[in-house]
Amino acid sequence: LAKTTQPISMDSYEGQEVNITCNHNNIATNDYITWYQQFPSQGPRFIIQGYKTKVTNEVASLFIPADRKSSTLSLPRVSLSDTAVYYCLVPTGGGNKLTFGTGTQLKVEL
Amino acid sequence: DSGVTQTPKHLITATGQRVTLRCSPRSGDLSVYWYQQSLDQGLQFLIQYYNGEERAKGNILERFSAQQFPDLHSELNLSSLELGDSALYFCASSVLSLRAGFAGELFFGEGSRLTVL
Repeated sequence: LAKTTQPISMDSYEGQEVNITCNHNNIATNDYITWYQQFPSQGPRFIIQGYKTKVTNEVASLFIPADRKSSTLSLPRVSLSDTAVYYCLVPTGGGNKLTFGTGTQLKVEL
Repeated sequence: DSGVTQTPKHLITATGQRVTLRCSPRSGDLSVYWYQQSLDQGLQFLIQYYNGEERAKGNILERFSAQQFPDLHSELNLSSLELGDSALYFCASSVLSLRAGFAGELFFGEGSRLTVL
């Protein structure tokens, strides 16, 4: 079964918009897609959750195409403090329930 | 503060030993999840309990076991420890049992760092 995959790493500069994509080819019909942020030696923290189209909150947007086989986390105007690992979570999409995606290390520089 | 409490924060032990990690979920949360994160690795799902019953199982070794008690706290037991078991072990909780069709958020504790020498 396909895993939930993400790019290993991304680099950006302060003030830029960052888009991180997660591929979840075998997402189930009723799966919600959730994104988490993790700093070193800390537990992951919830960022945003969606089911289809677009969701926006105070820190991020989540774009989900019609086929729902991928999703994109968008972070507007990143700052140094956004340097972290970002994970997507699709409950059954990884073939192993509640398994997180492979994670994307985002590094933001001045 | 997520409201999820894990103890101990740090634990150093020797190969072959057995340890127990404890997790107290957020007040009102019925579901508990255990994850393992080895150095520079992703989050590996181990097992989930909902209101005392095992609900889902991931890549959990036979040497590992867990349970959720009537007061909803959970314990993860790791036995016959090997060097490769050194990792951060996270507990998370949620109100519902997160699966297809159920939206919700996982609240993670700060983890228990296990070092096996």
